[in-house]
Amino acid sequence: NAGVTQTPKFQVLKTGQSMTLQCAQDMNHEYMSWYRQDPGMGLRLIHYSVGAGITDQGEVPNGYNVSRSTTEDFPLRLLSAAPSQTSVYFCASSYTGYTSTDTQYFGPGTRLTVL
Amino acid sequence: KQEVTQIPAALSVPEGENLVLNCSFTDSAIYNLQWFRQDPGKGLTSLLLIQSSQREQTSGRLNASLDKSSGRSTLYIAASQPGDSATYLCAVTPGNTGKLIFGQGTTLQVKP
Repeated sequence: NAGVTQTPKFQVLKTGQSMTLQCAQDMNHEYMSWYRQDPGMGLRLIHYSVGAGITDQGEVPNGYNVSRSTTEDFPLRLLSAAPSQTSVYFCASSYTGYTSTDTQYFGPGTRLTVL
Repeated sequence: KQEVTQIPAALSVPEGENLVLNCSFTDSAIYNLQWFRQDPGKGLTSLLLIQSSQREQTSGRLNASLDKSSGRSTLYIAASQPGDSATYLCAVTPGNTGKLIFGQGTTLQVKP
């Protein structure tokens, strides 16, 4: 299994541009989520999904959209990039998300810079 | 609001030393607690998961304990090695939601 994969690894955008961060998992996990990691702020939840067709907001959802059309994929869309969205983005998945034994698996991250 | 704190922020020890990393959380109503390792420029790797009903979990040289009533967890690393150098993150799940609330991590350096 490849686990959780993310593309691209690095991206530079100009303010106002849009882009999609890709996330895929091959473990048949129902639960997927997106976090951003910023110095001094730790990791914060952006959006999450408990299954195909179901998404919900996390702690910092503004400026981001998600959809979940398949179990495997959970893309994160930046609608109009802002310098405040410069961060490292991590995608994670787990079997259900609501079982106390669910370990979460993280992707390698996408490092985004918005100029 | 649940808050997770990790102290110290950084730690440097000589190889072979046993060490303890600390994690505290403000709300004892957690579903589970996980310890992760993050290498520079890399993603997070789960080390240990402790369910709310458990007191400790062990994996090799790692032992994690949980005291829900006091809002504390410790990660014990025995006989530390240079390869243990990384940032260690603690995260709690507040209920059966899958949402993780992270501490800011402890960056460990083990010197040969």
